[in-house]
Amino acid sequence: DQQVKQNSPSLSVQEGRISILNCDYTNSMFDYFLWYKKYPAEGPTFLISISSIKDKNEDGRFTVFLNKSAKHLSLHIVPSQPGDSAVYFCAASGTGANSKLTFGKGITLSVRP
Amino acid sequence: EAQVTQNPRYLITVTGKKLTVTCSQNMNHEYMSWYRQDPGLGLRQIYYSMNVEVTDKGDVPEGYKVSRKEKRNFPLILESPSPNQTSLYFCASSLSRNSYEQYFGPGTRLTVT
Repeated sequence: DQQVKQNSPSLSVQEGRISILNCDYTNSMFDYFLWYKKYPAEGPTFLISISSIKDKNEDGRFTVFLNKSAKHLSLHIVPSQPGDSAVYFCAASGTGANSKLTFGKGITLSVRP
Repeated sequence: EAQVTQNPRYLITVTGKKLTVTCSQNMNHEYMSWYRQDPGLGLRQIYYSMNVEVTDKGDVPEGYKVSRKEKRNFPLILESPSPNQTSLYFCASSLSRNSYEQYFGPGTRLTVT
């Protein structure tokens, strides 16, 4: 049972445009959400996170939006650059005994020059 | 440089031949974890350790063993590898279980024939 869902396996975007990567979750105990980025032949690296008490967190070109009522979050990359081409994993965690990261399947972003 | 290292990076072996994948971190992190990444399935946790001599099963522990005798090392042991354990394996660490941001190693690609 997939508790963190990234339903689109891939996304292709023109350089300079906005990339929007979506993620849905089913577990209402999740209260912290993260995005990881992964290049080929490397391990995932932390990109940005958001706590459930917020609905937006911004870090440079990257913004994560959280809609708790819809159990949905999205990562916006503006403007997209070819170096952003990678696999992006959405992850979620609860607290205490539920503080285990649960990952989605990942989405492959391709930014065309 | 703060990092998580894994060895070997690539391994081809035969069914039933015991193997160990090593993982080491130099950040004095308490929490360490092993994941496997498979196409269409994302990252799934195999085992984790909250501190020295404290380990527990993740989501897919069957066929694997771990040990945590020292804080920096967390080896993954396959006593009798089978073809369904062919996968990409990642070790990760974080300051504590409640530190959501995990640092990942570069990955070990294992093929079992």
